[in-house]
Amino acid sequence: EPEVTQTPSHQVTQMGQEVILRCVPISNHLYFYWYRQILGQKVEFLVSFYNNEISEKSEIFDDQFSVERPDGSNFTLKIRSTKLEDSAMYFCASSPQGGTEAFFGQGTRLTVV
Amino acid sequence: EDQVTQSPEALRLQEGESSSLNCSYTVSGLRGLFWYRQDPGKGPEFLFTLYSAGEEKEKERLKATLTKKESFLHITAPKPEDSATYLCAVRLRSGGSNYKLTFGKGTLLTVNP
Repeated sequence: EPEVTQTPSHQVTQMGQEVILRCVPISNHLYFYWYRQILGQKVEFLVSFYNNEISEKSEIFDDQFSVERPDGSNFTLKIRSTKLEDSAMYFCASSPQGGTEAFFGQGTRLTVV
Repeated sequence: EDQVTQSPEALRLQEGESSSLNCSYTVSGLRGLFWYRQDPGKGPEFLFTLYSAGEEKEKERLKATLTKKESFLHITAPKPEDSATYLCAVRLRSGGSNYKLTFGKGTLLTVNP
């Protein structure tokens, strides 16, 4: 069964460092998303991506965040200068169409120290 | 102000003891209500999509229903392996390519053998 794959599963980084979280969405899907979940809190939307551009972003997704689809399979989230409060689980998701269900990856646990 | 409220926050059942989880939403222009299951340290796993009041979906011991104000996830004769956090999410109607999901806090279900 096709699935969304995320790497790494766990990343520890120093405050102020740049991190890149990687995702391989399901192959025939057209819409891609990043969400995050701080420990014990709700899953929160960060950004959606369609047709090689950002279609929507939340207020969390400020200038330190960026997304890219560098080739036909990968979808990345870059955090330019990490802060302690960026520590969270980051989930990539994809959906075949915009209005349909989103399928999530297993997440990358980011710990900023 | 929460747009999606799930209750109860936690529910403990004995194996075979049927019950229901509630998801109420205070928004208009619903473009879909989604149920997910989340195991500890994992990504949300898609269960059901409901689009209009009166719609019902079933899968094994789970049945989801939707009214104009809320959705229920009914669990019939649960087993210990049904223990997980059940998340409700809504997608709202708006212009453009707005397909983000807004999640509730979830209901932590524990089924004791």
